[in-house]
Amino acid sequence: AQTVTQSQPEMSVQEAETVTLSCTYDTSESDYYLFWYKQPPSRQMILVIRQEAYKQQNATENRFSVNFQKAAKSFSLKISDSQLGDAAMYFCAYKQGNTGNQFYFGTGTSLTVIP
Amino acid sequence: EAEVAQSPRYKITEKSQAVAFWCDPISGHATLYWYRQILGQGPELLVQFQDESVVDDSQLPKDRFSAERLKGVDSTLKIQPAELGDSAMYLCASSLLRGGYTFGSGTRLTVV
Repeated sequence: AQTVTQSQPEMSVQEAETVTLSCTYDTSESDYYLFWYKQPPSRQMILVIRQEAYKQQNATENRFSVNFQKAAKSFSLKISDSQLGDAAMYFCAYKQGNTGNQFYFGTGTSLTVIP
Repeated sequence: EAEVAQSPRYKITEKSQAVAFWCDPISGHATLYWYRQILGQGPELLVQFQDESVVDDSQLPKDRFSAERLKGVDSTLKIQPAELGDSAMYLCASSLLRGGYTFGSGTRLTVV
């Protein structure tokens, strides 16, 4: 079974600074997707960024970028210019490339942004 | 913007009672998922539907949990009888056959 590991239960960052959240995963598949989801106190899971395994280029979405190391099975999220609204639980997730397959989530990293 | 609707938002029930949650996916999304998220953990899949058919319910505790999606649109997840350990957030998600995965806001269940 696929596993996703987030080794940082909690992280904090000063407002306007940069923070990196770590994620590793285990799979024998070659076709898969990786995601970072944000879950604020409202509890809705919000997609932050997505990476296709076949793409070598790291995905970027405004202040959010990833460092995808396929051989090392590592998928870290970098948040630049951190804002107070970035405070939330962040979940790393894996999904196989076939249609309709489920997500496998890590245990999450709670991010605090310090004013 | 289209969203996955879930109700109720919060539910408190007594141990051994029955409880039901409802999910209305985004129109046109053939695949529907129910996840359970225990506090401090990531969501875990309970059941996956493709249209009205169950694709994966391997992690659904079938002695007390049931799920249906009779017309391939909205879905109901039921627990009977509820146990203290069932206290969690129950998330519904829906997707197109390829991509377009969206989560609802969840139902937070507290069993007392």
